[in-house]
Amino acid sequence: EVQLVESGGGLVQPGGSLRLSCVASGFMFSRSWMSWVRQAPGKGLEWVANINQDGSEKKYGDSVRGRFTISRDNAGNSLYVQMNSLRAEDTAVYYCARLGAARPDFDFWGQGTLVTVSS
Amino acid sequence: FMLTQPHSVSESPGKTVTISCTRSSGSIASNFVQWYQQRPGSSPTTVIYEDNLRPSGVPDRFSGSIDSSSNSASLTISGLRTEDEADYYCQSYDRSNPVIFGGGTRLTVL
Repeated sequence: EVQLVESGGGLVQPGGSLRLSCVASGFMFSRSWMSWVRQAPGKGLEWVANINQDGSEKKYGDSVRGRFTISRDNAGNSLYVQMNSLRAEDTAVYYCARLGAARPDFDFWGQGTLVTVSS
Repeated sequence: FMLTQPHSVSESPGKTVTISCTRSSGSIASNFVQWYQQRPGSSPTTVIYEDNLRPSGVPDRFSGSIDSSSNSASLTISGLRTEDEADYYCQSYDRSNPVIFGGGTRLTVL
């Protein structure tokens, strides 16, 4: 059974930093593109970042580029996002998601972790 | 480019509803469209990928299509059930934008 379990969310002050983690199980993590997608309270889905199988290719959404860094540890089946210079508008549930191996959709999602940026 | 969806739609149980997703620039046929269902308090799940394909486990009451004349994609749900009440998001991409989501449509089954 595929599982994606996020952690690391919490309350942080504006300008602060936070690192989210996602532990994967039930599939070949090292063969999968992985992503972070976020959802502000009561709002829609917003793509944050993608990373390819070996971490050599990373792509970011316009609103986080230069502030967030996606990374992975294939030995530990883990995905990360380092979030710096956080703003109130970064408040959201952050989902870890797998890009389908043979499909262009996000075929598995974690349960999400809430990040609240507030003073 | 942007993907524009209606904010909300509503229909009665047993009826059919269609949710549109209009691409602002570039051809809707150039890149596949996916549709996700998100029930309250849950993570999204795919109901349609590659314009019109259903993942295993998704009932055939869900179907997808694209229309080049209106540059839009559509999700159609027939035989509506109360369990279909959810938010639905379309998603596509292009060379410059790896992932684009529509704003989402709240489906009410009343």
